[in-house]
Amino acid sequence: NAGVTQTPKFQVLKTGQSMTLQCAQDMNHNSMYWYRQDPGMGLRLIYYSASEGTTDKGEVPNGYNVSRLNKREFSLRLESAAPSQTSVYFCASTLGGELFFGEGSRLTVL
Amino acid sequence: TQLLEQSPQFLSIQEGENLTVYCNSSSVFSSLQWYRQEPGEGPVLLVTVVTGGEVKKLKRLTFQFGDARKDSSLHITAAQTGDTGLYLCADSTSGTYKYIFGTGTRLKVLA
Repeated sequence: NAGVTQTPKFQVLKTGQSMTLQCAQDMNHNSMYWYRQDPGMGLRLIYYSASEGTTDKGEVPNGYNVSRLNKREFSLRLESAAPSQTSVYFCASTLGGELFFGEGSRLTVL
Repeated sequence: TQLLEQSPQFLSIQEGENLTVYCNSSSVFSSLQWYRQEPGEGPVLLVTVVTGGEVKKLKRLTFQFGDARKDSSLHITAAQTGDTGLYLCADSTSGTYKYIFGTGTRLKVLA
């Protein structure tokens, strides 16, 4: 089973560029999440989608947008990347208990 | 806004030693989870605790939930190098599907 798949795994952007991180899960989970992880810190919630058709802000939503494309897919978009958005991004999904995570996407903004 | 504080932030010990890490919340937990994250991977669930005073054991790991449901601890007996990783506590805000994580404890077990 693939579980949660994130693309791309690595990306380097220049300040002001835009990009979209893609996430797909094959476990028929209702809820999906985007987190960022910075050195020395835990995971901080950016946005989440409790179910298909809904999205809500997390702890650090500024500078990001999301789209719950369908039940399987949840994308994260950076419209105008900033160096402060350099981080490792994790997508996760759940049916309401255990969170299942992707392997992460390492983003560097120069 | 709920805050989850973990301590210590870093811990380096010799193989065979015992250790305890802590998770404290600014508000009552809904259902507390503990995850372990290894380098280059996403976190993996270790345990979920719901009831105040609950104790759960997973081989050499013992998880305890405070009576007031505002704190939790993870005790590892006779640590092994395979226990090395980042330990994270997490809680789902009651009535929502919003999961937040603590600041993490980075554990290194030396051979």
